[in-house]
Amino acid sequence: SQTIHQWPATLVQPVGSPLSLECTVEGTSNPNLYWYRQAAGRGLQLLFYSVGIGQISSEVPQNLSASRPQDRQFILSSKKLLLSDSGFYLCAWRGAGVNTEAFFGQGTRLTVV
Amino acid sequence: AQSVTQLDSQVPVFEEAPVELRCNYSSSVSVYLFWYVQYPNQGLQLLLKYLSGSTLVKGINGFEAEFNKSQTSFHLRKPSVHISDTAEYFCAVSNTGGFKTIFGAGTRLFVKA
Repeated sequence: SQTIHQWPATLVQPVGSPLSLECTVEGTSNPNLYWYRQAAGRGLQLLFYSVGIGQISSEVPQNLSASRPQDRQFILSSKKLLLSDSGFYLCAWRGAGVNTEAFFGQGTRLTVV
Repeated sequence: AQSVTQLDSQVPVFEEAPVELRCNYSSSVSVYLFWYVQYPNQGLQLLLKYLSGSTLVKGINGFEAEFNKSQTSFHLRKPSVHISDTAEYFCAVSNTGGFKTIFGAGTRLFVKA
């Protein structure tokens, strides 16, 4: 069966520090991968998605970037965090070529102080 | 482009009462529709999905939803709620053949004893 791992679960970082959140998927090949951010009362905002290694689509211009160095690995990064980057970050995957539901990781609570 | 509107940000209801969480979408193409549930500090879990066929869709935990194409709605219902149903519920849409899933802002269901 497929599983998705996302870490860390919580993170407190000072303003101006770098960020690296990692997500890996097991049990499937060539998944579509997604990063969402959830802010209180604002639902899920799609940040990035990837349909293959090295292929990244950005949905919202911002202080973040994403990379997909391996088929089942998706990384969210920032060189210098802002206070406004605080939130709950969720990684998700969906089967390639099939319009099924997305499966989510447990999320990372990021607090920038 | 698609969009999703969840008409209620919070819905308080007494235990064993029925509940309806409303969702409207807009899209110029055919869509797939989803409802997800999120418990505190966790990722999202799929409740049910509409891909095609019968417009009444049954999901887990006794929930069901009805797809109404003319009204572009996909309301979620449960005839009798439990305390354990307290959570946030998200309606989502993706266009057939597309890569992205777009989420509504969420509805917080609060079940009172």
